[in-house]
Amino acid sequence: DGGITQSPKYLFRKEGQNVTLSCEQNLNHDAMYWYRQDPGQGLRLIYYSQIVNDFQKGDIAEGYSVSREKKESFPLTVTSAQKNPTAFYLCASSPQVGRNEKLFFGSGTQLSVL
Amino acid sequence: QQQVKQSPQSLIVQKGGIPIINCAYENTAFDYFPWYQQFPGKGPALLIAIRPDVSEKKEGRFTISFNKSAKQFSLHIMDSQPGDSATYFCAAGGTSYGKLTFGQGTILTVHP
Repeated sequence: DGGITQSPKYLFRKEGQNVTLSCEQNLNHDAMYWYRQDPGQGLRLIYYSQIVNDFQKGDIAEGYSVSREKKESFPLTVTSAQKNPTAFYLCASSPQVGRNEKLFFGSGTQLSVL
Repeated sequence: QQQVKQSPQSLIVQKGGIPIINCAYENTAFDYFPWYQQFPGKGPALLIAIRPDVSEKKEGRFTISFNKSAKQFSLHIMDSQPGDSATYFCAAGGTSYGKLTFGQGTILTVHP
């Protein structure tokens, strides 16, 4: 079954803690993305990656970090520097960046602060 | 110039009605305009997309109307059904940008 798998579905963060959200894809896509969704604000791009070992900041990268060591994996770390981390986080992929192709989204991770 | 403004924020219609969701953009370099549909607790999924060389595109009950001179595009849902109740996002992209800019989203409720 091809697609994008995000885990966990729900995650709780304590004050001062870093947490990592997992994103795995088996679509053989080169490009992967992380979006943050807040009510009434749409989807805002955090980071994206066009190829293994390369990634670029999106519109709201402060307080977040990513890695792309394998083509199929693009984990997102929400660091303690992100003061308002409560949101729904969506991972997506597409065959390539910059080709205006369909984005395939995972089912998301809801992050809340304890 | 990167913004995409979407309205209304929420919309309630009766079954069989024709909800219309509008989006406006500023950047004339945008050349790809998709709409995504999202059900609660799920990720968005591509519904329909248009490029600026056409003024209208239909797929089933979903139609995009595009007005290049006004820099606006809209989604119409014909004969709406309760199963269409979802959040709808418009977006805009351009080959030179490499990534989509999303609108704020519209929560659509279709009453039986």
